Amino acid sequence: SAVISQKPSRDICQRGTSLTIQCQVDSQVTMMFWYRQQPGQSLTLIATANQGSEATYESGFVIDKFPISRPNLTFSTLTVSNMSPEDSSIYLCSAGAGGGEAFFGQGTRLTVV
Amino acid sequence: DAKTTQPTSMDCAEGRAANLPCNHSTISGNEYVYWYRQIHSQGPQYIIHGLKNNETNEMASLIITEDRKSSTLILPHATLRDTAVYYCIVPRHTGTASKLTFGTGTRLQVTL
Repeated sequence: SAVISQKPSRDICQRGTSLTIQCQVDSQVTMMFWYRQQPGQSLTLIATANQGSEATYESGFVIDKFPISRPNLTFSTLTVSNMSPEDSSIYLCSAGAGGGEAFFGQGTRLTVV
Repeated sequence: DAKTTQPTSMDCAEGRAANLPCNHSTISGNEYVYWYRQIHSQGPQYIIHGLKNNETNEMASLIITEDRKSSTLILPHATLRDTAVYYCIVPRHTGTASKLTFGTGTRLQVTL
């Protein structure tokens, strides 16, 4: 198993600003992912954070809006850029060995005002 | 990608078995079925997975039909802490990783 820590746990941000969310895993993992969970909705995969290369984005998500870094096998960041109220969501980091078993952080609850 | 279908919600009395069904009729022969749950205000939690044989761990049992088109997650003695949204997922394989697509899941309410 892996323990995943996310920072911050919540934040309230002004529209037009950016927020960087950090994800730290307590062990080296092959795969890291970022999800968004809008209010009352299920999780949607944003992108796969690739170590040492550009992230792989899912349809509907772009690098300019959600730049992602993964400098090593235990750490990743997601930035939500030029925020609008529609970006108010819970953002979750997950990690795993590459199969279907993944571990999730507690999420970052973002409110944009 | 194999699509999964689950009931929107279910109720279960505390102490009784909770049986959560999932339909995955388009599943391929080498695709696994995974179950996760999300307790309110927490990240999803892995429960169990299986290919064709029934599986059991400390959390639950997974029963997969012989034709693999459906499965049932069984919580043998549900408690109030099992109240959560349960997701049945057939991961999408992309060559380097298995990606999880979360549907709407089944909202299980365990009551006294």
